[in-house]
Amino acid sequence: GQQLNQSPQSMFIQEGEDVSMNCTSSSIFNTWLWYKQDPGEGPVLLIALYKAGELTSNGRLTAQFGITRKDSFLNISASIPSDVGIYFCAGRSSNSGYALNFGKGTSLLVTP
Amino acid sequence: EAGVAQSPRYKIIEKRQSVAFWCNPISGHATLYWYQQILGQGPKLLIQFQNNGVVDDSQLPKDRFSAERLKGVDSTLKIQPAKLEDSAVYLCASSARLAGGDTQYFGPGTRLTVL
Repeated sequence: GQQLNQSPQSMFIQEGEDVSMNCTSSSIFNTWLWYKQDPGEGPVLLIALYKAGELTSNGRLTAQFGITRKDSFLNISASIPSDVGIYFCAGRSSNSGYALNFGKGTSLLVTP
Repeated sequence: EAGVAQSPRYKIIEKRQSVAFWCNPISGHATLYWYQQILGQGPKLLIQFQNNGVVDDSQLPKDRFSAERLKGVDSTLKIQPAKLEDSAVYLCASSARLAGGDTQYFGPGTRLTVL
């Protein structure tokens, strides 16, 4: 599958700070998804994006589908300790059918 | 609504042994996926079923991995024989439809360690 470049690899922040992470691809995607994975659990969908330029919020989370269709970002505002986990971007292109291609994840640590 | 169930949660075997994982998707979900997640990486799709038919198995190492979903509900993934590099978490996911925008719900995974 296509390779997704996700950055940063890890983040260590204080409670209350805002967080931003992004994902880029060499291929055009028609769907971008953001997941959170807690230790010992499977990924949980946070936000789904289906149109270039789309900006979608889910509580303190905001994600955007890049205009070029090759990138996406996720912002978390006013972080809290329960935001700790690994965040994955995933993309789907018309060439890959229905298969999702995942990034390597951003590990987020939040200190009280 | 019950989530995706997987068992066992953990498995430790020696190389060249065989192992099988079981998945029960969310009731009514037609599409089922098996992913492999190596430590420090995102999940990688191994195989995708629509009911009891295979939609995509292009990344499944077919010389040692096999999967089936005989009645279009539960699924098993087998590795025979296992190699050291098969150590990973095996995630099962399901979705209601085979559609581009359909949400995939993941189970907790089976953590496999091959010694």
